[in-house]
Amino acid sequence: AQSVTQLGSHVSVSEGALVLLRCNYSSSVPPYLFWYVQYPNQGLQLLLKYTSAATLVKGINGFEAEFKKSETSFHLTKPSAHMSDAAEYFCAVTYGGSQGNLIFGKGTKLSVKP
Amino acid sequence: EAEVAQSPRYKITEKSQAVAFWCDPISGHATLYWYRQILGQGPELLVQFQDESVVDDSQLPKDRFSAERLKGVDSTLKIQPAELGDSAMYLCASSQNPTGVGETQYFGPGTRLLVL
Repeated sequence: AQSVTQLGSHVSVSEGALVLLRCNYSSSVPPYLFWYVQYPNQGLQLLLKYTSAATLVKGINGFEAEFKKSETSFHLTKPSAHMSDAAEYFCAVTYGGSQGNLIFGKGTKLSVKP
Repeated sequence: EAEVAQSPRYKITEKSQAVAFWCDPISGHATLYWYRQILGQGPELLVQFQDESVVDDSQLPKDRFSAERLKGVDSTLKIQPAELGDSAMYLCASSQNPTGVGETQYFGPGTRLLVL
């Protein structure tokens, strides 16, 4: 069965510091992986996605993620945090098939301190 | 840029009342999803449509929830009767094709439901 684990429900960093949000997946077949961001009382916005092309994926707002099959991980990083990055981040997985619904992790809330 | 539209944005209702949510996907998107997001959790799929047909409703509580997409465009999700545990954010998403081939799902702003 497909599943996603996000380590750390809450991460706090200082402005300008490295952001690292962890995501591990469980999949018996090659997955497609996504990171979404959600601001309070809003829908989800796609940050980036992995679809078996390059293992290092660059997304919007300076975020990137690296797919590591050996570690079953897809961690999200940003070299320098900005106050506007404060939000909740969700990792999601799906796999090839006719349905393709996303399975989400529980989310990580990122706080950025001035 | 085209967006997924949802209404209402907020809904307060009393237990046992009926509620309905509306979603208009991005034009041309054949696949439409309804998710429920409980506070502090990730979204969970309720129902998936391919055009006007239901592809997956295995997690939809069919005794009280119903969903339709009659002309394969916009969609309505209904709850009758609402229960306290239905308080959540209801998100609609659409994609050109099922996400199984790496298609991006685009989400609407959601409807926040509070059942009193």
